[in-house]
Amino acid sequence: EPEVTQTPSHQVTQMGQEVILRCVPISNHLYFYWYRQILGQKVEFLVSFYNNEISEKSEIFDDQFSVERPDGSNFTLKIRSTKLEDSAMYFCASIRDRVLTKNIQYFGAGTRLSVL
Amino acid sequence: AQKITQTQPGMFVQEKEAVTLDCTYDTSDPSYGLFWYKQPSSGEMIFLIYQGSYDQQNATEGRYSLNFQKARKSANLVISASQLGDSAMYFCAMREALNYGGATNKLIFGTGTLLAVQP
Repeated sequence: EPEVTQTPSHQVTQMGQEVILRCVPISNHLYFYWYRQILGQKVEFLVSFYNNEISEKSEIFDDQFSVERPDGSNFTLKIRSTKLEDSAMYFCASIRDRVLTKNIQYFGAGTRLSVL
Repeated sequence: AQKITQTQPGMFVQEKEAVTLDCTYDTSDPSYGLFWYKQPSSGEMIFLIYQGSYDQQNATEGRYSLNFQKARKSANLVISASQLGDSAMYFCAMREALNYGGATNKLIFGTGTLLAVQP
C-alpha cells in the first residue's frame, strides 16, 4: 500500500539553526500539507501546497517557515532559525484530488523535532 | 468558524468490550467530511474511518463504525470487541467545505481521547 514517507524520524538541533524536514508524498497525489503537534496537544495545520505554490497557511506559518517541492517527489519544510517552541512532531500529509468528497489525507509517521 | 470538540480526555475499556469515543463538531457549511485517526504511542497518524456530510448511512470499517447524528452534529467512533492494540490516542477531525473555490482540504482536529484497553 502506498505511503507517505518522512525523514528523519527524529531531529535534534540547537536553537537558531536551520532544519529541513523531508517528505515523500504518495506518488499520484497532488495536494500536500504540513501539520504540527506540540507534545500532548492537538494537531495543528501549518500549510497546504498545490501546483508548486502555497494555497493556504496558518498563523503559525510565519516568515521562519518555508516549503518547497524541489524535484517532483520530495516535499520539504524548512525552519530558518529554530526556536525552543518549534519543538514538536511535524506531520506531512497528501491527497490525490481535493474535489473528491471522500478525500482521505494520508499522514507520514512524523518527524520529531527537538530544539535545544 | 469550524470546530471539533472531544470531551473525553481519557477512557478505559475492558478487552473484548465495545467503546464509544465522542466527537461533536460545529460548522455552518452543508458539505463537510469527518475523519477519525488513531495515534499509537509510536506517534504516527493512522486513518480509521470517514463520514461525508451527505452520506446516507453510517460509515463502517471492520471493527470501527461511526455513529453519525447530523442534527446533533456528532460523529462518535464506536470500536467493537476492543483489543489491547487499540490502546492509543484517537483524534476526530473535520475537513472544511468543498463548495467554494478556495478550499484547501485542510483538517481541523479535536484535542483527542486517550483510550486504554485493559486485559
